[in-house]
Amino acid sequence: DAGVIQSPRHEVTEMGQEVTLRCKPISGHDYLFWYRQTMMRGLELLIYFNNNVPIDDSGMPEDRFSAKMPNASFSTLKIQPSEPRDSAVYFCASSLGTSGGVEQFFGPGTRLTVL
Amino acid sequence: GQSLEQPSEVTAVEGAIVQINCTYQTSGFYGLSWYQQHDGGAPTFLSYNGLDGLEETGRFSSFLSRSDSYGYLLLQELQMKDSASYFCAVKRSNYQLIWGAGTKLIIKP
Repeated sequence: DAGVIQSPRHEVTEMGQEVTLRCKPISGHDYLFWYRQTMMRGLELLIYFNNNVPIDDSGMPEDRFSAKMPNASFSTLKIQPSEPRDSAVYFCASSLGTSGGVEQFFGPGTRLTVL
Repeated sequence: GQSLEQPSEVTAVEGAIVQINCTYQTSGFYGLSWYQQHDGGAPTFLSYNGLDGLEETGRFSSFLSRSDSYGYLLLQELQMKDSASYFCAVKRSNYQLIWGAGTKLIIKP
């Protein structure tokens, strides 16, 4: 299996622009997680899905952030409008429900820089 | 509230043994996971303790004491490639992991 795939790997944009991050989970995994990692705040869970349905989005910072999972093999995290404080590494991870979310497989991440 | 505490940095010598501690305070505790993250990389799963006691996986072992709200990761026969950050994460009942801030392990030759 190719593992979790994320694109783009790097994104540089200007404040106010829309940013869309993409994720393809491991085939057969029924849980998908979006995280944000910064030096100041560490690894933060933003939202997670089970069978394409959002279960908990309490970690989404504000209304500028939205996430969708239209099917089992694709998810997006959108920031509109972007701000410099959104600069971070965004990880997508997937997991099998049978593992109880214990073992999560992370993608390589998208390093976002908002100027 | 919920909190996990682990040392920010630990230094050890190649070939030695090092222990990274994690104490937690959280509701709905199911177990403790450990992840490794190299600089510029993604977290990768190392181990999970759902029950008290020691779990061994090669050179790595992990321990949990629910009564003490405490766990640790033990790395033996340290190699330079073990230089990384190590995160403990509490599994709650709702499939979420609550993450510690991470411990940066520095290995000297």
